[in-house]
Amino acid sequence: DGGITQSPKYLFRKEGQNVTLSCEQNLNHDAMYWYRQDPGQGLRLIYYSQIVNDFQKGDIAEGYSVSREKKESFPLTVTSAQKNPTAFYLCASSILRGMGSTGELFFGEGSRLTVL
Amino acid sequence: SQQGEEDPQALSIQEGENATMNCSYKTSINNLQWYRQNSGRGLVHLILIRSNEREKHSGRLRVTLDTSKKSSSLLITASRAADTASYFCATGASGSRLTFGEGTQLTVNP
Repeated sequence: DGGITQSPKYLFRKEGQNVTLSCEQNLNHDAMYWYRQDPGQGLRLIYYSQIVNDFQKGDIAEGYSVSREKKESFPLTVTSAQKNPTAFYLCASSILRGMGSTGELFFGEGSRLTVL
Repeated sequence: SQQGEEDPQALSIQEGENATMNCSYKTSINNLQWYRQNSGRGLVHLILIRSNEREKHSGRLRVTLDTSKKSSSLLITASRAADTASYFCATGASGSRLTFGEGTQLTVNP
């Protein structure tokens, strides 16, 4: 089955620890994204990548880091510099349309991070 | 920054009724998309409407787009309890990113 797999589904972290969330896609999509969702709110873009070995900051990149070494994989590291990391994290991918406009996003099932 | 704003924030209706959700945005767009999210799950794409389109249908869904008013509406006809979810609009401008609104929580009572 084609799709996006996020792991782990639930993650607990102590303050001061870095954690890495995994995102893998087998849809052969060029673009991948990380969003953060807080309770009762919409999605805010953390980082996105259009091509291997390249990525751009979104609206709330501070305290996060990413890598894109393979087309299929776009892991997100939540560092200790992120002051309020407890949230629901969503990974997505899409094809790139002409003129760089974004088509349909395919989402994973999310990773819920809780800082103890 | 949040580009789209949904209205209402919450909507409760009876099964069989129609549900209408609205989205307003601030800057020029290439397309506008609607997504659905069941509680604790990822988002699922529902429909995309391009900036040169005014109306689009998909099954029980009808989306309109008014670029002069920078607004869109999503109509779900003959709603079912299974339609209970949060619905988000997302705007796509130049560049490969979407900006999401804060969503409308729809509850359909059996």
